[in-house]
Amino acid sequence: GIQVEQSPPDLILQEGANSTLRCNFSDSVNNLQWFHQNPWGQLINLFYIPSGTKQNGRLSATTVATERYSLLYISSSQTTDSGVYFCAVDNYGQNFVFGPGTRLSVLP
Amino acid sequence: ETGVTQSPTHLIKTRGQQVTLRCSSQSGHNTVSWYQQALGQGPQFIFQYYREEENGRGNFPPRFSGLQFPNYSSELNVNALELDDSALYLCASSLGVAPYEQYFGPGTRLTVT
Repeated sequence: GIQVEQSPPDLILQEGANSTLRCNFSDSVNNLQWFHQNPWGQLINLFYIPSGTKQNGRLSATTVATERYSLLYISSSQTTDSGVYFCAVDNYGQNFVFGPGTRLSVLP
Repeated sequence: ETGVTQSPTHLIKTRGQQVTLRCSSQSGHNTVSWYQQALGQGPQFIFQYYREEENGRGNFPPRFSGLQFPNYSSELNVNALELDDSALYLCASSLGVAPYEQYFGPGTRLTVT
């Protein structure tokens, strides 16, 4: 089945810093989503982005489907950005395959 | 518009018991997927229901079973609970099968002792 890798596994930032999270996948996909999991376990939708570029406030994402990777950019990070960020892909099946996540800690 | 809801929030069961978890899909969504998330890992797909029929299953044993009702709400049943079944169980709903965007509920945290 499709493999999903995320890097870095852990990231510690000072408030106000920028960061880039990466998701690599091993096969073509027809769906890719980025999620933020808060400390209570809720998965919050950030982007639905099987290809192209999207922006939402301080967050933006780019997926280059032909090269099998996606990037999530966080600018001017805030302490509330802390948590685990997951990339999940669907390669024409019925289910999402999640990456292992990037754990982000933003320090005040 | 009502989001995805799950009940109960937390549950403690004893090894060998049976458990039923419930999920109400987001308004207008006819597809429900269930995921298991062990501590420190990403969610893993259990199965998906589309219009009351199972529409795909992950690598989980038959003691994990499900139902979808005419109003598109869903249940996850786990028989003969094992200690390794302790996890966060997440339900997601979507407007249809892939590649529609999935929306997740808050999860049910199951502890098996």
